[in-house]
Amino acid sequence: AIQMTQSPSSLSASVGDRVTITCRASQGISNRVAWYQQKPGKAPNLLIFEASTLQSGVPSRFSGSGSGTDFTLTISSLQPEDFATYFCLQDNNYPLTFGQGTKVDIK
Amino acid sequence: VQLVESGGGVVQPGRSLRLSCVPSGFFFSSYGMSWVRQAPGKGLEWVSGISGSGGSSYYAASVKGRFTISRDDSQITLNLQMNSLRGEDTAVYYCARNRGHSGYDSVDYWGQGTLVIVSS
Repeated sequence: AIQMTQSPSSLSASVGDRVTITCRASQGISNRVAWYQQKPGKAPNLLIFEASTLQSGVPSRFSGSGSGTDFTLTISSLQPEDFATYFCLQDNNYPLTFGQGTKVDIK
Repeated sequence: VQLVESGGGVVQPGRSLRLSCVPSGFFFSSYGMSWVRQAPGKGLEWVSGISGSGGSSYYAASVKGRFTISRDDSQITLNLQMNSLRGEDTAVYYCARNRGHSGYDSVDYWGQGTLVIVSS
């Protein structure tokens, strides 16, 4: 199975900060990465698919990039509602595999 | 789009449980569907997926041979039959819609989840 190594596992940031989260795949997966946001007690919410395509309704401060093995989720200016846990997912091959998650909390 | 799961509960190790998911707000047959689980305090784990036609299904290694995904397009229901349950199967199980017809694809809509606890 393809392993998705996500980093960092947690970070502290302030409102207005630029935040970057990365995922590295254990083998090339083209652009087949999605990013999700999850808040406590809630189901995840799709932010980005195919590495860089913004899901409808998601604020433009979220962006994604990468191809092959290295992928990045960027929040350009962190807002109070963005404090949450973020996961990457590869859907190039089954079994689909998630990264371990990055918890973003308030500095 | 709405996805409503049911069937969770407390079950003894080695026993079986069947989860169901009732979708609404979209044409069910056009989309692949998935089950994703999350153990308490842990990350997300993709469990299984099925194509829009029902002709192809896929499983995580951890559940292959024990779990069976199925869909009934006439009843508009997605199911997950879970046999030989183990403690490590304890999790919230989410029903989710795939973005496309394939059985393995990123998911765009999720249910609220149903909790399965495997314990004696």
